[in-house]
Amino acid sequence: ETGVTQSPTHLIKTRGQQVTLRCSSQSGHNTVSWYQQALGQGPQFIFQYYREEENGRGNFPPRFSGLQFPNYSSELNVNALELDDSALYLCASSLEGAGGNEQFFGPGTRLTVL
Amino acid sequence: AQSVTQPDIHITVSEGASLELRCNYSYGATPYLFWYVQSPGQGLQLLLKYFSGDTLVQGIKGFEAEFKRSQSSFNLRKPSVHWSDAAEYFCAEGPGGGYNKLIFGAGTRLAVHP
Repeated sequence: ETGVTQSPTHLIKTRGQQVTLRCSSQSGHNTVSWYQQALGQGPQFIFQYYREEENGRGNFPPRFSGLQFPNYSSELNVNALELDDSALYLCASSLEGAGGNEQFFGPGTRLTVL
Repeated sequence: AQSVTQPDIHITVSEGASLELRCNYSYGATPYLFWYVQSPGQGLQLLLKYFSGDTLVQGIKGFEAEFKRSQSSFNLRKPSVHWSDAAEYFCAEGPGGGYNKLIFGAGTRLAVHP
């Protein structure tokens, strides 16, 4: 059974650019959540996708957007990058809406915005 | 606003010593509480969870946690720490029910001296 994978591992962008981060869910999982972890902080919930639809959003602006594909892989897109977007981005997958089912985290993508 | 507080940013213990990491939550008559561990380059791994029932919960790697409603606390304990326990530990709450939309504390970094 393959775990949650994320790509790329590291990424460097400049302010104003756009970035796409990718996540492959654990086999059989239909729910993915994205979190932002700034240096020295705990992860903050960005949004969740369940069966290809957004199913809840944290306190993040609309320039953070996402997609979930029929194979349940997912993308996080961030437009107009700001310096404060530098962080580790984590995705987590689970089965059936992440209520009573454990979500499994990927290793993250480290984004640096210069 | 809902929040999770981990008062200790950094803790150092000797190998073989006991460990207690503190966590206070702010939300809910029926909180869903979690402890995760994060090692460098690794995703978050669930150590244990509390949804209801017995207030002393056992987790993986010899960890346990006790839910105390009167103190709004969910402290993590281990009777004898191993060098491999050195990592960052996060307490989290699931205000969305279960694992949904977790709110994390800022984390406690554990160092273990030989």
